[in-house]
Amino acid sequence: DADVTQTPRNRITKTGKRIMLECSQTKGHDRMYWYRQDPGLGLRLIYYSFDVKDINKGEISDGYSVSRQAQAKFSLSLESAIPNQTALYFCATRHSSGANVLTFGAGSRLTVL
Amino acid sequence: TQLLEQSPQFLSIQEGENLTVYCNSSSVFSSLQWYRQEPGEGPVLLVTVVTGGEVKKLKRLTFQFGDARKDSSLHITAAQPGDTGLYLCAESRDNYGQNFVFGPGTRLSVLP
Repeated sequence: DADVTQTPRNRITKTGKRIMLECSQTKGHDRMYWYRQDPGLGLRLIYYSFDVKDINKGEISDGYSVSRQAQAKFSLSLESAIPNQTALYFCATRHSSGANVLTFGAGSRLTVL
Repeated sequence: TQLLEQSPQFLSIQEGENLTVYCNSSSVFSSLQWYRQEPGEGPVLLVTVVTGGEVKKLKRLTFQFGDARKDSSLHITAAQPGDTGLYLCAESRDNYGQNFVFGPGTRLSVLP
């Protein structure tokens, strides 16, 4: 099994629908991140969490919310999806006291029609 | 806001050729990482460079960090189809609690 698992891998939805992307990890890392990837723009940080009780906005948090249900689980929600939220979403983890390296999931491709 | 620029944006070469891709910033990097992302997968770390002038080798890949720590390059010798992917540079920053800022990437295609 992958260290960082994202579900669903692909999702097509309609404008206005609520969508949740889930991330779970088996690495025991305390820090978890949600990134969005668009062609030519690289990875942009949406939200990050340093532990279960710590949630922080990234550079593009508008239109998104997150929940850290447990140390191993970090979900991203789009309350009312819009077409410009069509993108590839990545969850990543790292340990605060370990190597300064991000471990990524395989990504969730979201299409909003 | 410090931006990371990468060039070229796209590169298509034949197997066996050499290539170099670049990562530049308007400000000094604290440390720089290179990741490779293959289709359908998340990015995977290749290397971290910290010291100005540093050179690291990973098989056919050579990474250089500029003396002023404002630029970095990745050179691939005798490229193979398995090198195909998106190459991302990233800086670890302290303004978001040691979070990472990524460049837009160079998409490399190595044709057999």
